[in-house]
Amino acid sequence: DAGVTQSPTHLIKTRGQQVTLRCSPKSGHDTVSWYQQALGQGPQFIFQYYEEEERQRGNFPDRFSGHQFPNYSSELNVNALLLGDSALYLCASSFTDPATNEKLFFGSGTQLSVL
Amino acid sequence: AQKITQTQPGMFVQEKEAVTLDCTYDTSDPSYGLFWYKQPSSGEMIFLIYQGSYDQQNATEGRYSLNFQKARKSANLVISASQLGDSAMYFCAMRDLSGYSTLTFGKGTMLLVSP
Repeated sequence: DAGVTQSPTHLIKTRGQQVTLRCSPKSGHDTVSWYQQALGQGPQFIFQYYEEEERQRGNFPDRFSGHQFPNYSSELNVNALLLGDSALYLCASSFTDPATNEKLFFGSGTQLSVL
Repeated sequence: AQKITQTQPGMFVQEKEAVTLDCTYDTSDPSYGLFWYKQPSSGEMIFLIYQGSYDQQNATEGRYSLNFQKARKSANLVISASQLGDSAMYFCAMRDLSGYSTLTFGKGTMLLVSP
């Protein structure tokens, strides 16, 4: 059973460029969340997708956008890259059931470097 | 707003000894869940243990146990019989159980296990 897979593993971009990161959730999961982890920090919630809609959003600017496809996979897009966007981007999947201790499964992340 | 505080940037322990990683939290939500994740150098966040705010007993998962003191708002992770493979970053996180599965993380503690 494949877990959460993310691509690419590493990416180097320059300021002002745009980037797309991809995530395939764990089999059976319908919810995808994205987190940004700066060096030396804990992950910070960017947004969550469920039923192809953005269901919840953290404190990130509109330059960060996403999409969820019918097969539950997801993309994270960042426009007009800034040096401060350099971070590890983690995708997490889960099965939506608010009544349970819904456990998130994380991928290994995409390391984005902005030069 | 929820907040997680991990005051130990780094901890050292010898193999086979027990170690406690500290976590305090702050929330106004009456129903919440507390998680511990392990992040090795590969980047993936690995779920270790979960404690619900209404659980009467402390959670245990193999060598991991969670020392939950609700009145003190603390949720310390205890690793018994440390192994070399336990060397990693450890993150405490929480979520509001009345909402969606979004997590608030602490800054983490680096654990180094020596032979």
